[in-house]
Amino acid sequence: QVQLQEAGPGLVKPSETLSLTCTVSGGSVSSGSHYWSWIRQPPGKGLEWIGYIYYSGSTNYNPSLKSRVTISVDTSKNQFSLKLRSVTAADTAVYYCARDIGAGSGYFDLWGRGTLVIVSS
Amino acid sequence: QSALTQPRSVSGSPGQSVTISCTGTSSDVGGYNFVSWYRQHPGKAPKLMIYDVTKRPSGVPDRFSGSKSGNTASLTISGLQAEDEADYYCCSYAGRYTVLFGGGTKLTVL
Repeated sequence: QVQLQEAGPGLVKPSETLSLTCTVSGGSVSSGSHYWSWIRQPPGKGLEWIGYIYYSGSTNYNPSLKSRVTISVDTSKNQFSLKLRSVTAADTAVYYCARDIGAGSGYFDLWGRGTLVIVSS
Repeated sequence: QSALTQPRSVSGSPGQSVTISCTGTSSDVGGYNFVSWYRQHPGKAPKLMIYDVTKRPSGVPDRFSGSKSGNTASLTISGLQAEDEADYYCCSYAGRYTVLFGGGTKLTVL
């Protein structure tokens, strides 16, 4: 049974870089059938798609975040990662990693449990 | 890109049906048949309930159905049950390999 698990600091200072990893267990990030996404949810608010990566390294990002986001994949560790630069309090959110079975169409059939990241000094 | 428009809340009694709308534009909902719906219980990750506008993943009851007309997609839940009380989000492909979520709808089972 494939599972996703987010990991990373729960507290980041303003202007610094938020870094998270998502470990895929019970399956392979190199599966050519799936795209791997990051999605976030500010407390009490809705979902926001951040971007996705394919195992080949091909990426696409939310235009509103594109200038600050990098998503990468490490097939040897079966992980993919998120970096969000120059964070502010508005970036405080639960960050989810998710598997997209729709080739980038937004069909997220598998999610991690989510990790809360607070941006504060 | 602006979030897709959903009603903030809907409600219904057990056994009744409710419909949640999701309005976008011709650049997202209206332009592609790549609409999905998610259910999220408090403190939990979202769960995929509908994809390809009308399809249900394995294990999702047929009480859940999806449709689309023009720039508006809809999720209908029939035979409401207590466990259906949750937040619901629509999602659409928005062109140029991007994805857009709706603002979310809180469903209350009375």
